[in-house]
Amino acid sequence: DAMVIQNPRYQVTQFGKPVTLSCSQTLNHNVMYWYQQKSSQAPKLLFHYYDKDFNNEADTPDNFQSRRPNTSFCFLDIRSPGLGDAAMYLCATSRGTSGDEQFFGPGTRLTVL
Amino acid sequence: GQNIDQPTEMTATEGAIVQINCTYQTSGFNGLFWYQQHAGEAPTFLSYNVLDGLEEKGRFSSFLSRSKGYSYLLLKELQMKDSASYLCAVRDHLRGSTLGRLYFGRGTQLTVWP
Repeated sequence: DAMVIQNPRYQVTQFGKPVTLSCSQTLNHNVMYWYQQKSSQAPKLLFHYYDKDFNNEADTPDNFQSRRPNTSFCFLDIRSPGLGDAAMYLCATSRGTSGDEQFFGPGTRLTVL
Repeated sequence: GQNIDQPTEMTATEGAIVQINCTYQTSGFNGLFWYQQHAGEAPTFLSYNVLDGLEEKGRFSSFLSRSKGYSYLLLKELQMKDSASYLCAVRDHLRGSTLGRLYFGRGTQLTVWP
């Protein structure tokens, strides 16, 4: 089945230790998104790629970076995780056409010790 | 920016009907989405409205009034498995593009009792 896959599902890291979360998709969608969702809060968009074009949200901390080496894969790099970065990180994709919905992966829950 | 407001919690019994409201203020409107999110899982798409009126899809319906900045999600014949968080999300307009950012509300936690 076509889908959005995130690995790992659970990630534990230490304060200040870089961590990379991965997302892959078999939907062949043009757009890939990364959201941060803290407990009982709304998902918050960090950035998105339209094909190779990177779009950063104005309030996304510099600590967060992203890479999209090809259509299928997108990575979220957190250079120096702080305790406040503990959250669920959701990857989503969409075709990029008017009216299309976003398809979400299962998420990676990040714990920072 | 966007301001999206929905109730934090709602409860209902099996077989009943429940309406979850969402109000929004947006600098540019390009559609409203409803997603369902079970605890610890990813949001899943339920409905999309861009024009005023009611969209019906099985047990779920969604209504939009753009002039009032208002939408609701109607769930009929409630089942226990409908217990979840329901997220209202508004998409804005990026000039010259069909793509827009999706802004989510905090979600309404619905509990369905037997």
